[in-house]
Amino acid sequence: QQPVQSPQAVILREGEDAVINCSSSKALYSVHWYRQKHGEAPVFLMILLKGGEQKGHEKISASFNEKKQQSSLYLTASQLSYSGTYFCGTDSNQGGKLIFGQGTELSVKP
Amino acid sequence: ETGVTQSPTHLIKTRGQQVTLRCSSQSGHNTVSWYQQALGQGPQFIFQYYREEENGRGNFPPRFSGLQFPNYSSELNVTALERDDSALYLCASSQLAGRIDTQYFGPGTRLTVL
Repeated sequence: QQPVQSPQAVILREGEDAVINCSSSKALYSVHWYRQKHGEAPVFLMILLKGGEQKGHEKISASFNEKKQQSSLYLTASQLSYSGTYFCGTDSNQGGKLIFGQGTELSVKP
Repeated sequence: ETGVTQSPTHLIKTRGQQVTLRCSSQSGHNTVSWYQQALGQGPQFIFQYYREEENGRGNFPPRFSGLQFPNYSSELNVTALERDDSALYLCASSQLAGRIDTQYFGPGTRLTVL
């Protein structure tokens, strides 16, 4: 089942913070976060593994609540370059077959 | 740049035709996953290939098929094209199947079916 992302869209001023949430109804082994700019491929940001291991971008942080099957992506001191659509991809069977949410569109204004 | 390449960049076909899309994986990666991304939606998993074998399939009909070659590059074939097949087709390569690993996406092929 497709994970649910919230909010669907958010508008920020440069320097403001944002949180994007991803919630699944299935038990998860990992959550993968990507950012996609219009007309481009999704770019890897962060992977969170069951058990607490994280790999990813230095300036972006995320959490994974295994009990609630939820993940949150934290964007702090946003920059114009953070604009894009953020997707979470969930892996329920440890096979790398990602199921993506519908996306959160983030716009950062000067 | 992820090192994953796809061709062609854009393609226009008519209903009923077939199409072949190509993907070259990043050096050292042996797994390729294909995704379909409709406008305004998240990528939807089509199937995954690991060492030339299909290793999982999403909810797509049999007219969507694929291949992986000994050099780990891959093809996606779609027959009897329908207008709803119009989408961005993305491939992603990773190092191992059956374990958690980062998938790196190529730039995609934009398919339009008239």
